Amino acid sequence: DGGITQSPKYLFRKEGQNVTLSCEQNLNHDAMYWYRQDPGQGLRLIYYSQIVNDFQKGDIAEGYSVSREKKESFPLTVTSAQKNPTAFYLCASSGRTSSGNTIYFGEGSWLTVV
Amino acid sequence: AQSVTQLDSQVPVFEEAPVELRCNYSSSVSVYLFWYVQYPNQGLQLLLKYLSGSTLVESINGFEAEFNKSQTSFHLRKPSVHISDTAEYFCAVSDGNNNDMRFGAGTRLTVKP
Repeated sequence: DGGITQSPKYLFRKEGQNVTLSCEQNLNHDAMYWYRQDPGQGLRLIYYSQIVNDFQKGDIAEGYSVSREKKESFPLTVTSAQKNPTAFYLCASSGRTSSGNTIYFGEGSWLTVV
Repeated sequence: AQSVTQLDSQVPVFEEAPVELRCNYSSSVSVYLFWYVQYPNQGLQLLLKYLSGSTLVESINGFEAEFNKSQTSFHLRKPSVHISDTAEYFCAVSDGNNNDMRFGAGTRLTVKP
């Protein structure tokens, strides 16, 4: 089945630790995205990548880092610099960045800082 | 830049009743409009989208939305809801650049028996 796989589904992190969320897609999409979802706030864009080895900051990139070494993979690292990391994280992809292309989402990862 | 306002954070409704989830947007350019649905602890799934052409768009499960340019709205409607429609619904707007897609805060639809 084609789709976007995020792992782990649930992750707990101690304060001061970095953690990496995995995102893999087999849709042959060029563009990939990371969003953060908080209750009552909708989705906010953290980082996006239009092609391999290139990525750009979104609206709330501080405290996060990404890499795009392969077309299929776009891992997100939540660093200790992120002041309020507890949230639901969604990875997404789309076929092109041109007009109207649908963004497809993974199942999400819950990160809780304890 | 565009923005989206979903006017209702929660909409409770009884089964088989009609429902409307409201969405207004602001943009200085032509837009593409989307509705996504999110079931608990899952990602978002595309429900329907407006790109061009007919202003009334439909989904396979009975939802429809109408693009109203003069009122800058894209309200989602269903004439008769089911329990299984209980979910959170997000309206989104894009100017054609997915990197600038903006999402509303979401509307939680709860269908009661």
